[in-house]
Amino acid sequence: AQSVSQHNHHVILSEAASLELGCNYSYGGTVNLFWYVQYPGQHLQLLLKYFSGDPLVKGIKGFEAEFIKSKFSFNLRKPSVQWSDTAEYFCAVNLKWGAQKLVFGQGTRLTINP
Amino acid sequence: EAGVTQSPTHLIKTRGQQVTLRCSPISGHTSVYWYQQALGLGLQFLLWYDEGEERNRGNFPPRFSGRQFPNYSSELNVNALELEDSALYLCASSLRTAGTGGAETQYFGPGTRLLVL
Repeated sequence: AQSVSQHNHHVILSEAASLELGCNYSYGGTVNLFWYVQYPGQHLQLLLKYFSGDPLVKGIKGFEAEFIKSKFSFNLRKPSVQWSDTAEYFCAVNLKWGAQKLVFGQGTRLTINP
Repeated sequence: EAGVTQSPTHLIKTRGQQVTLRCSPISGHTSVYWYQQALGLGLQFLLWYDEGEERNRGNFPPRFSGRQFPNYSSELNVNALELEDSALYLCASSLRTAGTGGAETQYFGPGTRLLVL
Protein backbone atom coordinates (compact mmCIF):
# COMPACT_ATOMS: atom_id res chain seq x y z
CA ALA A 1 0.00 0.00 0.00
CA GLN A 2 1.10 3.54 -0.66
CA SER A 3 2.31 5.31 2.46
CA VAL A 4 4.26 8.31 3.63
CA SER A 5 6.19 8.35 6.87
CA GLN A 6 7.33 11.41 8.77
CA HIS A 7 9.74 10.37 11.46
CA ASN A 8 9.34 13.24 13.88
CA HIS A 9 5.98 14.05 15.41
CA HIS A 10 7.11 17.11 17.34
CA VAL A 11 10.36 19.01 16.93
CA ILE A 12 11.41 21.83 19.22
CA LEU A 13 14.23 24.15 18.19
CA SER A 14 15.64 27.51 19.12
CA GLU A 15 15.77 30.37 16.65
CA ALA A 16 18.73 30.20 14.24
CA ALA A 17 19.05 26.45 14.61
CA SER A 18 19.16 24.32 11.48
CA LEU A 19 16.18 22.19 10.60
CA GLU A 20 15.76 18.88 8.87
CA LEU A 21 12.42 17.07 8.80
CA GLY A 22 12.39 13.55 7.48
CA CYS A 23 9.97 12.11 4.94
CA ASN A 24 10.05 8.62 3.46
CA TYR A 25 7.53 7.13 1.10
CA SER A 26 6.52 3.72 -0.06
CA TYR A 27 5.16 3.79 -3.58
CA GLY A 28 5.30 1.50 -6.56
CA GLY A 29 6.06 3.90 -9.35
CA THR A 30 7.31 7.35 -10.26
CA VAL A 31 6.12 10.00 -7.87
CA ASN A 32 5.58 13.69 -7.36
CA LEU A 33 6.56 14.96 -3.92
CA PHE A 34 5.24 17.88 -1.91
CA TRP A 35 5.75 19.65 1.38
CA TYR A 36 2.82 21.59 2.77
CA VAL A 37 2.79 23.82 5.83
CA GLN A 38 -0.03 24.87 8.11
CA TYR A 39 0.70 27.95 10.22
CA PRO A 40 -1.46 28.43 13.32
CA GLY A 41 -4.96 29.50 12.29
CA GLN A 42 -4.18 29.35 8.57
CA HIS A 43 -4.88 27.07 5.62
CA LEU A 44 -2.56 24.38 4.37
CA GLN A 45 -0.23 25.95 1.83
CA LEU A 46 2.43 24.59 -0.47
CA LEU A 47 6.05 25.07 0.60
CA LEU A 48 7.67 23.30 -2.34
CA LYS A 49 7.31 20.37 -4.70
CA TYR A 50 9.38 18.08 -6.84
CA PHE A 51 8.14 16.52 -10.06
CA SER A 52 11.18 16.37 -12.35
CA GLY A 53 14.64 17.72 -12.93
CA ASP A 54 17.04 18.87 -10.22
CA PRO A 55 16.37 16.76 -7.12
CA LEU A 56 17.19 19.74 -4.89
CA VAL A 57 14.18 22.01 -4.89
CA LYS A 58 13.82 25.38 -3.28
CA GLY A 59 10.59 26.69 -1.89
CA ILE A 60 9.20 29.70 -0.12
CA LYS A 61 10.62 31.24 3.04
CA GLY A 62 14.09 29.74 2.60
CA PHE A 63 13.03 26.09 2.70
CA GLU A 64 14.51 23.43 0.45
CA ALA A 65 14.13 19.69 0.03
CA GLU A 66 16.16 16.97 -1.61
CA PHE A 67 14.67 14.00 -3.40
CA ILE A 68 16.87 10.94 -2.97
CA LYS A 69 15.30 8.26 -5.14
CA SER A 70 17.46 5.43 -3.83
CA LYS A 71 16.35 6.16 -0.28
CA PHE A 72 12.71 6.96 -1.13
CA SER A 73 13.19 10.17 0.82
CA PHE A 74 12.27 13.83 0.46
CA ASN A 75 13.64 15.59 3.54
CA LEU A 76 12.86 19.23 4.24
CA ARG A 77 15.64 21.56 5.34
CA LYS A 78 16.19 25.13 6.43
CA PRO A 79 19.60 26.40 7.53
CA SER A 80 18.34 28.88 10.12
CA VAL A 81 14.81 28.78 11.51
CA GLN A 82 12.79 31.71 12.78
CA TRP A 83 10.04 31.90 15.38
CA SER A 84 7.58 32.44 12.50
CA ASP A 85 8.37 28.95 11.20
CA THR A 86 6.35 27.49 14.06
CA ALA A 87 3.75 25.39 12.24
CA GLU A 88 2.76 21.88 11.26
CA TYR A 89 4.55 20.43 8.24
CA PHE A 90 3.13 17.71 6.01
CA CYS A 91 4.92 15.64 3.41
CA ALA A 92 2.72 14.33 0.59
CA VAL A 93 3.13 12.14 -2.45
CA ASN A 94 1.14 11.28 -5.52
CA LEU A 95 1.72 8.90 -8.35
CA LYS A 96 2.97 10.57 -11.51
CA TRP A 97 0.44 10.15 -14.34
CA GLY A 98 -1.93 8.44 -11.96
CA ALA A 99 -4.82 9.54 -9.81
CA GLN A 100 -3.99 12.92 -8.39
CA LYS A 101 -4.89 12.11 -4.82
CA LEU A 102 -2.27 13.17 -2.35
CA VAL A 103 -1.15 10.69 0.27
CA PHE A 104 -0.02 12.62 3.33
CA GLY A 105 2.33 11.81 6.15
CA GLN A 106 1.12 12.24 9.71
CA GLY A 107 2.66 15.67 9.99
CA THR A 108 5.44 17.13 12.11
CA ARG A 109 4.68 19.86 14.58
CA LEU A 110 7.55 22.34 14.70
CA THR A 111 7.92 24.69 17.66
CA ILE A 112 10.55 27.41 17.50
CA ASN A 113 11.49 29.04 20.78
CA PRO A 114 12.59 32.67 20.54
CA GLU B 1 -7.46 36.36 -6.16
CA ALA B 2 -9.99 34.67 -3.90
CA GLY B 3 -8.91 31.36 -2.48
CA VAL B 4 -10.84 28.16 -1.97
CA THR B 5 -13.90 28.78 0.17
CA GLN B 6 -15.85 26.27 2.20
CA SER B 7 -19.14 26.41 4.04
CA PRO B 8 -20.19 26.08 6.72
CA THR B 9 -17.17 26.57 8.97
CA HIS B 10 -18.57 24.43 11.77
CA LEU B 11 -21.37 21.89 12.06
CA ILE B 12 -22.79 19.82 14.88
CA LYS B 13 -24.89 16.79 13.96
CA THR B 14 -26.15 13.68 15.69
CA ARG B 15 -25.59 10.08 14.72
CA GLY B 16 -27.70 8.93 11.80
CA GLN B 17 -28.20 12.40 10.35
CA GLN B 18 -27.02 13.55 6.95
CA VAL B 19 -24.77 16.50 6.17
CA THR B 20 -23.79 18.48 3.08
CA LEU B 21 -20.56 20.43 2.88
CA ARG B 22 -19.83 22.95 0.14
CA CYS B 23 -16.70 24.09 -1.64
CA SER B 24 -15.98 26.81 -4.17
CA PRO B 25 -12.68 26.41 -5.99
CA ILE B 26 -10.33 29.13 -7.08
CA SER B 27 -11.64 30.79 -10.22
CA GLY B 28 -10.47 28.87 -13.29
CA HIS B 29 -9.68 25.67 -11.41
CA THR B 30 -11.53 22.64 -12.72
CA SER B 31 -10.41 19.99 -10.22
CA VAL B 32 -11.75 19.71 -6.69
CA TYR B 33 -10.50 17.32 -4.04
CA TRP B 34 -11.95 16.40 -0.66
CA TYR B 35 -9.86 15.24 2.29
CA GLN B 36 -10.74 14.21 5.81
CA GLN B 37 -8.49 15.19 8.70
CA ALA B 38 -9.59 13.17 11.68
CA LEU B 39 -7.81 13.27 15.01
CA GLY B 40 -5.02 10.73 15.04
CA LEU B 41 -5.58 9.67 11.44
CA GLY B 42 -3.99 12.51 9.52
CA LEU B 43 -5.17 13.79 6.17
CA GLN B 44 -6.92 11.15 4.08
CA PHE B 45 -8.09 11.50 0.52
CA LEU B 46 -11.83 11.19 -0.01
CA LEU B 47 -12.80 12.22 -3.54
CA TRP B 48 -11.50 13.91 -6.68
CA TYR B 49 -13.74 15.65 -9.21
CA ASP B 50 -12.66 17.11 -12.48
CA GLU B 51 -14.83 18.64 -15.20
CA GLY B 52 -17.95 17.44 -13.42
CA GLU B 53 -16.89 13.80 -13.19
CA GLU B 54 -15.74 11.74 -10.22
CA ARG B 55 -12.19 10.70 -11.14
CA ASN B 56 -11.04 8.88 -8.04
CA ARG B 57 -12.32 7.87 -4.66
CA GLY B 58 -10.49 7.06 -1.46
CA ASN B 59 -11.08 4.15 0.88
CA PHE B 60 -14.32 5.43 2.38
CA PRO B 61 -17.76 3.81 2.51
CA PRO B 62 -20.45 4.68 -0.08
CA ARG B 63 -22.28 6.90 2.40
CA PHE B 64 -19.60 9.47 1.52
CA SER B 65 -20.53 10.92 -1.85
CA GLY B 66 -20.40 14.16 -3.70
CA ARG B 67 -20.74 15.96 -6.94
CA GLN B 68 -19.28 18.78 -8.94
CA PHE B 69 -21.45 21.39 -10.58
CA PRO B 70 -21.01 23.06 -13.98
CA ASN B 71 -19.40 26.06 -12.27
CA TYR B 72 -16.87 23.60 -10.73
CA SER B 73 -18.09 24.09 -7.18
CA SER B 74 -18.59 20.90 -5.26
CA GLU B 75 -20.62 19.29 -2.50
CA LEU B 76 -19.65 16.50 -0.17
CA ASN B 77 -22.53 14.52 1.29
CA VAL B 78 -22.25 12.19 4.23
CA ASN B 79 -25.24 10.00 5.06
CA ALA B 80 -25.98 8.07 8.22
CA LEU B 81 -23.38 9.96 10.24
CA GLU B 82 -21.27 8.02 12.69
CA LEU B 83 -19.26 9.31 15.63
CA GLU B 84 -15.99 8.63 13.83
CA ASP B 85 -17.02 11.00 11.03
CA SER B 86 -16.14 13.84 13.37
CA ALA B 87 -13.27 15.57 11.60
CA LEU B 88 -12.09 18.58 9.67
CA TYR B 89 -13.12 18.24 6.02
CA LEU B 90 -10.79 20.02 3.65
CA CYS B 91 -11.46 20.94 0.07
CA ALA B 92 -8.70 21.72 -2.40
CA SER B 93 -8.68 22.84 -5.99
CA SER B 94 -6.19 22.76 -8.82
CA LEU B 95 -5.88 23.62 -12.45
CA ARG B 96 -5.30 20.56 -14.64
CA THR B 97 -2.19 21.21 -16.68
CA ALA B 98 -1.13 18.89 -19.47
CA GLY B 99 2.30 17.38 -19.20
CA THR B 100 2.92 17.78 -15.48
CA GLY B 101 2.01 14.23 -14.55
CA GLY B 102 -0.27 15.17 -11.71
CA ALA B 103 2.12 17.61 -10.08
CA GLU B 104 -0.35 20.49 -10.08
CA THR B 105 -0.44 22.33 -6.78
CA GLN B 106 -3.56 21.69 -4.76
CA TYR B 107 -4.78 24.83 -3.00
CA PHE B 108 -6.61 24.17 0.22
CA GLY B 109 -9.55 25.88 1.83
CA PRO B 110 -10.04 26.55 5.54
CA GLY B 111 -12.11 23.42 6.07
CA THR B 112 -15.42 22.55 7.69
CA ARG B 113 -15.23 21.16 11.18
CA LEU B 114 -17.89 18.51 11.73
CA LEU B 115 -18.76 17.20 15.15
CA VAL B 116 -21.04 14.17 15.38
CA LEU B 117 -22.65 13.56 18.77
